[in-house]
Amino acid sequence: DVKVTQSSRYLVKRTGEKVFLECVQDMDHENMFWYRQDPGLGLRLIYFSYDVKMKEKGDIPEGYSVSREKKERFSLILESASTNQTSMYLCASSERDEQYFGPGTRLTVT
Amino acid sequence: GESVGLHLPTLSVQEGDNSIINCAYSNSASDYFIWYKQESGKGPQFIIDIRSNMDKRQGQRVTVLLNKTVKHLSLQIAATQPGDSAVYFCADAIGNNNDMRFGAGTRLTVKP
Repeated sequence: DVKVTQSSRYLVKRTGEKVFLECVQDMDHENMFWYRQDPGLGLRLIYFSYDVKMKEKGDIPEGYSVSREKKERFSLILESASTNQTSMYLCASSERDEQYFGPGTRLTVT
Repeated sequence: GESVGLHLPTLSVQEGDNSIINCAYSNSASDYFIWYKQESGKGPQFIIDIRSNMDKRQGQRVTVLLNKTVKHLSLQIAATQPGDSAVYFCADAIGNNNDMRFGAGTRLTVKP
């Protein structure tokens, strides 16, 4: 079974802090994704990566950056957290079609 | 998948009944469609997918129907069980899945 893990289930940070969200997948997938999920808005793509050291902006990249130094790991970085970044963050990986999701990190910025 | 704004559609069914969850998509070029189930506190899980060269695909207790003419996708769950209670959402993509568009979801509640 594909396993996608995220470093934290719940995280509380203060405004202005730098936040790192880590995602690891164990199936040697090429593609990895970061989404945020907000009530009534569905999943919105922040960034994705199709190879090591490659990254592409999604629909809402502002305020975020990513890092993919190794194939299995895709990190989402909030350079200076703001309250409007309070959300559920979901990481996914895929090889071809179906995306496999991690359990999510619920981030609260106070 | 099409966003339905701030209000999540809900569907309440009796245990044992069949459920039908609907989804509209906007891009006529979309050729891959997928349904996910998300239980409370968990990440989305794959249920079933379909490509645009098909109009129906069946899995275990689930059927996906695709109507490309009206850009509509539905998920049918047979003999709905309490464990089916979750948020269900559809997604569509063109070609590969690097630009998958997700709907806001429908909350299914199964009454015992």
